[in-house]
Amino acid sequence: QQPVQSPQAVILREGEDAVINCSSSKALYSVHWYRQKHGEAPVFLMILLKGGEQKGHEKISASFNEKKQQSSLYLTASQLSYSGTYFCGTEVWGAQKLVFGQGTRLTINP
Amino acid sequence: AAGVIQSPRHLIKEKRETATLKCYPIPRHDTVYWYQQGPGQDPQFLISFYEKMQSDKGSIPDRFSAQQFSDYHSELNMSSLELGDSALYFCASSPSARFRTDTQYFGPGTRLTVL
Repeated sequence: QQPVQSPQAVILREGEDAVINCSSSKALYSVHWYRQKHGEAPVFLMILLKGGEQKGHEKISASFNEKKQQSSLYLTASQLSYSGTYFCGTEVWGAQKLVFGQGTRLTINP
Repeated sequence: AAGVIQSPRHLIKEKRETATLKCYPIPRHDTVYWYQQGPGQDPQFLISFYEKMQSDKGSIPDRFSAQQFSDYHSELNMSSLELGDSALYFCASSPSARFRTDTQYFGPGTRLTVL
């Protein structure tokens, strides 16, 4: 039931782009994206709903392929502050919970 | 803007002791979620409440119980603590979410250490 994220880790130089993928075996109602820095709380980035509604973050975008139960998070022109672990949380209809992927560790170097 | 408040922030207990973690959601949020996160792991859903009623349950041990009170704050009670219970415990709140999950805002977490 846990969604699968890829890659598990990525290292970039400042200004480069990254794509993080999240794939589920279940039909999804929504996908939520969070970023977590070490020892801190996950911070909400993006929610993608079945039907196409999207709420987001100014410099980060995402897509949601409902038929394939897949979502991708796009970080462009990465900044040092983007470093952290990114989690996708998936929701199925009727379940008031998120099931998180195993996380993708993103490191941005100067 | 007001955020989710959790207390205590750090807690150290001995094996077989009990612990109570508290969560105060963002004002006007009536849905609360509890997560457990071990080192290097993803947050694991424990339990959620909507309007003071349990709305979903995850991998929460029978030794744990939780409730949401009339002022919407929630408490997670943990008994017969084991070494494996050492983790970060997050509470998250969201606006009314009767049949689905809205944006969840996480609190700073309580770090529980069981010795």
